[in-house]
Amino acid sequence: ETGVTQTPRHLVMGMTNKKSLKCEQHLGHNAMYWYKQSAKKPLELMFVYNFKEQTENNSVPSRFSPECPNSSHLFLHLHTLQPEDSALYLCASSQEGGAAHSYEQYFGPGTRLTVT
Amino acid sequence: AQSVTQLDSHVSVSEGTPVLLRCNYSSSYSPSLFWYVQHPNKGLQLLLKYTSAATLVKGINGFEAEFKKSETSFHLTKPSAHMSDAAEYFCVVSDRNTGNQFYFGTGTSLTVIP
Repeated sequence: ETGVTQTPRHLVMGMTNKKSLKCEQHLGHNAMYWYKQSAKKPLELMFVYNFKEQTENNSVPSRFSPECPNSSHLFLHLHTLQPEDSALYLCASSQEGGAAHSYEQYFGPGTRLTVT
Repeated sequence: AQSVTQLDSHVSVSEGTPVLLRCNYSSSYSPSLFWYVQHPNKGLQLLLKYTSAATLVKGINGFEAEFKKSETSFHLTKPSAHMSDAAEYFCVVSDRNTGNQFYFGTGTSLTVIP
């Protein structure tokens, strides 16, 4: 499998549930990202991991908890979510550092989350 | 600080006519600029990128963009629209001095009329 994959593609959960989103990149990149995309709103950066270390947390509520066990995998653990958290959650990866100047992000297909 | 302004939230063109999606950026340093396309319920796909080489950048599916430093613009064009071009388009700016920060525009929705 190539590129960036995300599972599940669709998720419906109640406000008291606990679930996890998974992202895997097969590109050999060392940086991974979580974004939230809500209808009629700009793309929101949530978390950034560089070489497995979290380098960015854009004031995301604690009900979202990221985990990056290695450079290829990224998780987003969800608990006690609110209906306004319903959105498309996108994972991306890029190559950072070294001589690479072009460091575009590659995106997964997203997980469509609905909180009921 | 970096930022991106996409000047049109919606653009509608007839099939076979040219496409112009406008993007202006603000960057303190030499920027890298990107255009992404997103089809419904899909992730973002890179169309093209500018990283301080040639100012006219050619991308996939017949799209191209020109970096104009004096105008701080990076407009996306295509000579002839296809129905399959109907999608959301995002302009993105970044630079090496801010590490992993990518600044997204609010997107332009392109409609192609048969």
